[in-house]
Amino acid sequence: KAGVTQTPRYLIKTRGQQVTLSCSPISGHRSVSWYQQTPGQGLQFLFEYFSETQRNKGNFPGRFSGRQFSNSRSEMNVSTLELGDSALYLCASSIDRSGELFFGEGSRLTVL
Amino acid sequence: TQLLEQSPQFLSIQEGENLTVYCNSSSVFSSLQWYRQEPGEGPVLLVTVVTGGEVKKLKRLTFQFGDARKDSSLHITAAQPGDTGLYLCAGGGFQKLVFGTGTRLLVSP
Repeated sequence: KAGVTQTPRYLIKTRGQQVTLSCSPISGHRSVSWYQQTPGQGLQFLFEYFSETQRNKGNFPGRFSGRQFSNSRSEMNVSTLELGDSALYLCASSIDRSGELFFGEGSRLTVL
Repeated sequence: TQLLEQSPQFLSIQEGENLTVYCNSSSVFSSLQWYRQEPGEGPVLLVTVVTGGEVKKLKRLTFQFGDARKDSSLHITAAQPGDTGLYLCAGGGFQKLVFGTGTRLLVSP
């Protein structure tokens, strides 16, 4: 079956712009989580969505937001981009809130 | 704040050698997971350990959870080039994982 699909895979933005990243979970998976991966900070939890509701949020500023749609697809948005937002953004889905996470290949964001 | 420190950060070995990666914390975790991430891909779950003192084997990989559930180790026997990758421990429950600092392993033929 198809895995977690993230789009776009690569993107370049400039400081001050905003970006929206998309994640399509594995069919039947209802929970979607987002993580940021950087060389300096490693993998850090951003947020978790289940049944269109944000259930957990990591320690990131309000510029980072997300949502989940009724078909479990999720988007995350970063506004007023900063150089430090350059990272690989990973989406993971699970069948429910206690199940194994399956990660997508990520969206690599470069902020110039 | 729960933190997971991994050591070593980098490991470069020859095919056939054995190695151990450590994951340590000052906090108690209800469970720990180990992931492997290859370039251009997301992390893939290798194993979950939930009981203090638990040992799990996955072919040439042996995972151990410390008795106090604050640390874990991953031992690879007779490493192969296909084992190359970034190894990450993680804890805190699948809803909000705390990832370790990572160990980058390179196995040369």
